[in-house]
Amino acid sequence: EVQLAQSGAEVKKPGATVQISCKVSGFTFTDYYMHWVQQAPGKGLEWMGLVDPEDGETMYAEKFQGRVAITADTSTDTAYMELSSLRSEDTAVYYCATSYGGNSPFDYWGQGTLVTVSS
Amino acid sequence: QPVLTQSSSASASLGSSVQLTCTLSSGYSSYIIAWHQQQPGKAPRYLMKLEGSGSYKKGSGVPDRFSGSSSGADRYLIISNLQSEDEADYYCEAWDSNTRWVFGGGTKLTVL
Repeated sequence: EVQLAQSGAEVKKPGATVQISCKVSGFTFTDYYMHWVQQAPGKGLEWMGLVDPEDGETMYAEKFQGRVAITADTSTDTAYMELSSLRSEDTAVYYCATSYGGNSPFDYWGQGTLVTVSS
Repeated sequence: QPVLTQSSSASASLGSSVQLTCTLSSGYSSYIIAWHQQQPGKAPRYLMKLEGSGSYKKGSGVPDRFSGSSSGADRYLIISNLQSEDEADYYCEAWDSNTRWVFGGGTKLTVL
């Protein structure tokens, strides 16, 4: 059974950095791209970026370029998303998701991690 | 990259059918999309991949009540015999040759 297990909720102050993890099981980690998606309260889904665990290559949405870093650890089958210079607008649920390479939709989702940015 | 347009809301009666629409922007009418369901307070769930020809492939465990079709730049999600658990937000998703992923704004489906 495919599972994407994300780390728990975080509360951060403005200007801080948050790192969220996504541990996968039930499939070959290096066969899939790992993505991160932001969902602000009451809003829709927004793609942030991806990592190819096979070679570590990344791609980021323009909106998050320079503030986000997505990595993958093949020794633990875990993907990470780090978002820096946090501001109140970054308060959101963050989801990891998989796609089978670069020409496929998201087919599995993590349970989500709530990040609250508040002074 | 494509822009995906969805109606913000839709409603239909228990046991009836509903058709949700996702429209691809000009120049992208041949694109493949995917549909996802997000029940209240839950993570999204992949429903299906839908081609411009109308051919679709569903994810594991998706009920037979869910189907897809296409016409030009429009991609449809059809839900028949609506159940209370179908009340959810539905998002379409597309990706382009530069390997960027985009979502539509989502449609909130109310089951009456």
